[in-house]
Amino acid sequence: EAAVTQSPRSKVAVTGGKVTLSCHQTNNHDYMYWYRQDTGHGLRLIHYSYVADSTEKGDIPDGYKASRPSQENFSLILELASLSQTAVYFCASASGQGYAETLYFGSGTRLTVL
Amino acid sequence: GDSVTQTEGLVTLTKGLPVMLNCTYQTTYSPFLFWYVQHLNEAPKLLLKSSTDNKRTEHQGFYATLHKSSSSFHLQKSSVQLSDSALYFCALSDTSNTNKVVFGTGTRLQVLP
Repeated sequence: EAAVTQSPRSKVAVTGGKVTLSCHQTNNHDYMYWYRQDTGHGLRLIHYSYVADSTEKGDIPDGYKASRPSQENFSLILELASLSQTAVYFCASASGQGYAETLYFGSGTRLTVL
Repeated sequence: GDSVTQTEGLVTLTKGLPVMLNCTYQTTYSPFLFWYVQHLNEAPKLLLKSSTDNKRTEHQGFYATLHKSSSSFHLQKSSVQLSDSALYFCALSDTSNTNKVVFGTGTRLQVLP
């Protein structure tokens, strides 16, 4: 089965601090995604990537940066964390042929910004 | 851009009853529709998917039919079980080469004894 690993599982950060969330996949998938989950909003796409060294903005990219240094790794960076960024963050990977196939999700990172 | 609408936030049923969770979508390209299920404190997992118009897709007792004429992909089950209690997301991808996958806001299904 496809494997997507996120770290850390949970994190407490201070307002204004820098936060990096990491994601590693062993599926040999081209596509990787970062979503945030909030009650009432479902899963919203922050950034995604379909090739190493390239990232694309999703629907809510403000306040977030992404980095894809290799096919296996995809990071989400909060340069100046804010209270509104408290959420659960999911990384996912997918194979595809010009469109995204099944998403395989990691276990999520619960981020609390104080 | 693409969008997905799930009209019910919470559906509460007694076990053994049928259920239908609504999903409609908007896209200007050829669609791929998915249903994901998320149990408490777990990651979302694929339940079923389809890109074929008017063909019923089934998995684990759940089924859905993509109707491009009405832009719908409703999820159904004839008899819900306690273990079906979870959050259900409808999601959309398309052939526009943006490679985005857009999710609806989710419907929580609560099954009572």
